Amino acid sequence: KAGVTQTPRYLIKTRGQQVTLSCSPISGHRSVSWYQQTPGQGLQFLFEYFSETQRNKGNFPGRFSGRQFSNSRSEMNVSTLELGDSALYLCASSLVDSTGELFFGEGSRLTVL
Amino acid sequence: AQSVTQLGSHVSVSEGALVLLRCNYSSSVPPYLFWYVQYPNQGLQLLLKYTSAATLVKGINGFEAEFKKSETSFHLTKPSAHMSDAAEYFCAVSVDAGGTSYGKLTFGQGTILTVHP
Repeated sequence: KAGVTQTPRYLIKTRGQQVTLSCSPISGHRSVSWYQQTPGQGLQFLFEYFSETQRNKGNFPGRFSGRQFSNSRSEMNVSTLELGDSALYLCASSLVDSTGELFFGEGSRLTVL
Repeated sequence: AQSVTQLGSHVSVSEGALVLLRCNYSSSVPPYLFWYVQYPNQGLQLLLKYTSAATLVKGINGFEAEFKKSETSFHLTKPSAHMSDAAEYFCAVSVDAGGTSYGKLTFGQGTILTVHP
């Protein structure tokens, strides 16, 4: 069974640009969550999607958004990038009734210059 | 609201020695507790989880953790460290909010485990 796939793995952007990250969950997993990982703040929850609906949202500004498609694939977008947005963005998928048992992708490492 | 505190950002052990990584949690309702491991340049992998069944939980790679409600702790142990255990370990907490928070975990700051030959 293929794991969670995130693209791109690495990207470099400049301040003010926007970026879109993609996540393909494990087949059969309908919940997708996104996390931001930085050395200073650690792992922080961004949002969770289930059946194309945002079910939970973390404490991030509106520049961070996401969506989920009918095939459960998800994208997240960050607009008007700031230097502090440099981070590893992790996507995780899970079964509907499996609280906390998340399967993570390898992440997309974003560098903002 | 829930929170997690991992005591010690770095732990160093010799190969074959006991591994003990400490985690304390705070939660206003019965929690679900997890330990995840992250190897360099990889995502996180679930080691084990506590979901109100047995208080001693066994996970993969010989790890286990004990839920102690009185101490609000969920420490991770392994009797004998192996070089391949070197990684960063994260304790996490979640709560069952009526099925609305499955993917939302609160993580600790992580503990980097170094294993010396």
